[in-house]
Amino acid sequence: GAGVSQSPRYKVAKRGQDVALRCDPISGHVSLFWYQQALGQGPEFLTYFQNEAQLDKSGLPSDRFFAERPEGSVSTLKIQRTQQEDSAVYLCASTQGSSYNSPLHFGNGTRLTVT
Amino acid sequence: GENVEQHPSTLSVQEGDSAVIKCTYSDSASNYFPWYKQELGKRPQLIIDIRSNVGEKKDQRIAVTLNKTAKHFSLHITETQPEDSAVYFCAAPYSGGYQKVTFGTGTKLQVIP
Repeated sequence: GAGVSQSPRYKVAKRGQDVALRCDPISGHVSLFWYQQALGQGPEFLTYFQNEAQLDKSGLPSDRFFAERPEGSVSTLKIQRTQQEDSAVYLCASTQGSSYNSPLHFGNGTRLTVT
Repeated sequence: GENVEQHPSTLSVQEGDSAVIKCTYSDSASNYFPWYKQELGKRPQLIIDIRSNVGEKKDQRIAVTLNKTAKHFSLHITETQPEDSAVYFCAAPYSGGYQKVTFGTGTKLQVIP
């Protein structure tokens, strides 16, 4: 497709369940980012990949959060033992290059609700 | 890191009036400042950006101004229309050699017909 694709669009998990969120970036985009957006807030940085290398994971809230991009294209954000505070929209974004003045292309996000 | 503050958090204007949203940042090395528009339930989309070698940039009804000395930048929307209603986010990059962008908390703009 032409844009960043995320799935599922909505996910409801019971507390304690594991979830996996998928991001398919724009083809050829080197950089991939995951953001967490709580209701009424701006996106908060979680982690950054340049190709398959995870260069920054400083925004991951806890060791229950894990992200990978094994072949430098599709990425998966996994949350283990979900908690209610994990409820948010998880946005994926990609950029063509690796420099900081490239605009982010966002997906529509996955809205995670933990009950 | 980068600390970005955005004001106001909500803004209501009459259709046809202008709207101004302001952001301040902390990292004096930052030199790229994008603005994103997010409609309800949709993805953030870039509407305009500015680099620090210019002080102002315009694109039709939208303009962004930058004051590097004061470390603030503003979004100006003129002749507002109902379809401008959305949440607007400013952002500034962390000058760590790659794009780790810090977003403001957002401004919910309501244009009243």
